[in-house]
Amino acid sequence: SQTIHQWPATLVQPVGSPLSLECTVEGTSNPNLYWYRQAAGRGLQLLFYSVGIGQISSEVPQNLSASRPQDRQFILSSKKLLLSDSGFYLCAWRRDRSYNEQFFGPGTRLTVL
Amino acid sequence: AQTVTQSQPEMSVQEAETVTLSCTYDTSENNYYLFWYKQPPSRQMILVIRQEAYKQQNATENRFSVNFQKAAKSFSLKISDSQLGDTAMYFCAFMNNNDMRFGAGTRLTVKP
Repeated sequence: SQTIHQWPATLVQPVGSPLSLECTVEGTSNPNLYWYRQAAGRGLQLLFYSVGIGQISSEVPQNLSASRPQDRQFILSSKKLLLSDSGFYLCAWRRDRSYNEQFFGPGTRLTVL
Repeated sequence: AQTVTQSQPEMSVQEAETVTLSCTYDTSENNYYLFWYKQPPSRQMILVIRQEAYKQQNATENRFSVNFQKAAKSFSLKISDSQLGDTAMYFCAFMNNNDMRFGAGTRLTVKP
């Protein structure tokens, strides 16, 4: 069966510090991968998606970037965090174009102080 | 651009009763997918049900069913025989290719 992992689960960082959140998927190959942000009490906003190694599409211009160094690894980064980067970050995967539902990881709660 | 609207920020229902959550969306696409996700206090997003736009038959998963009205761009979720474990945020979502849009959510509370 497929599983998706995210770490860390929680993170408190000062403004201006770098960020690296990691997402990995097990039990499948060549998944589509997604990063979402959820502000408190709000819906999910799609940040990035990837259809393959090294292929990243950005949905919203922002302070963040994403990379996919391996087939089942997706990383969300920032060089300098802003207060507005605080939120709940969710990674998701989709098997391929024939299956359209996305499956989500447990999320990372990021607080920027 | 696609948008998804959930007009009910909060709802409550008595245990064992039925509740319907509303969702409307706006798109110019003809082929797409619609989903309802549940987010309990653990914040894990759980897929509840999905509907392909090309299917006229409404999707059903046990106590969960949808009323999909393509012309009206409406996609409501009906929960029958509500259980305490159904208490959660519910998000309606629209997907076309890799473009996934979520509504703002409805907080459902099931009361004993």
